[in-house]
Amino acid sequence: KAGVTQTPRYLIKTRGQQVTLSCSPISGHRSVSWYQQTPGQGLQFLFEYFSETQRNKGNFPGRFSGRQFSNSRSEMNVSTLELGDSALYLCASSWGPDYGYTFGSGTRLTVV
Amino acid sequence: DQQVKQNSPSLSVQEGRISILNCDYTNSMFDYFLWYKKYPAEGPTFLISISSIKDKNEDGRFTVFLNKSAKHLSLHIVPSQPGDSAVYFCAANHPLGSNTGKLIFGQGTTLQVKP
Repeated sequence: KAGVTQTPRYLIKTRGQQVTLSCSPISGHRSVSWYQQTPGQGLQFLFEYFSETQRNKGNFPGRFSGRQFSNSRSEMNVSTLELGDSALYLCASSWGPDYGYTFGSGTRLTVV
Repeated sequence: DQQVKQNSPSLSVQEGRISILNCDYTNSMFDYFLWYKKYPAEGPTFLISISSIKDKNEDGRFTVFLNKSAKHLSLHIVPSQPGDSAVYFCAANHPLGSNTGKLIFGQGTTLQVKP
């Protein structure tokens, strides 16, 4: 059974550029959440999508956005990259809120 | 405002002994708690969860205890094995209402199990 797949695994971008990260959830999972992990702030919630609708959003600036497609695959976009956006970005999927969340291996974004 | 706290950044135990990882929370609306294990540059791996209607849940070597009055949960690993060495995160979730789908994580505890 395939797990949560995130692409790409590693990414290097320059300040000011934008980036799009992709997440393919476990088949049948309709809830997809995104998290940012940094050494200083730990794991922080970005947003969650369910059936193509954003249900919840964390305390991140508007430069961070996302979407979910009809097949539950999700993308997140960060525009006007800053050095502080360097982090491990994790995607998690679930059947629904009561069933726990399975995480992907993450995308390591480095902004130079 | 950190709603989920893991006050011990690190823990070292001998192989075969018990590892106890602790977690405190402040929001009484949390009703579902999870423990994850994480290696560097990988995503967290789900270990065990507990609903607020229970005070204990077991899965093999892992047991989670929940004390709602103290807003405290703990993860017991018995016996500890060197392969358990990793960072452990507790997380809380309020499945209903506006917090649906949102996990709030503690800062993590690094467990080292010595052979």
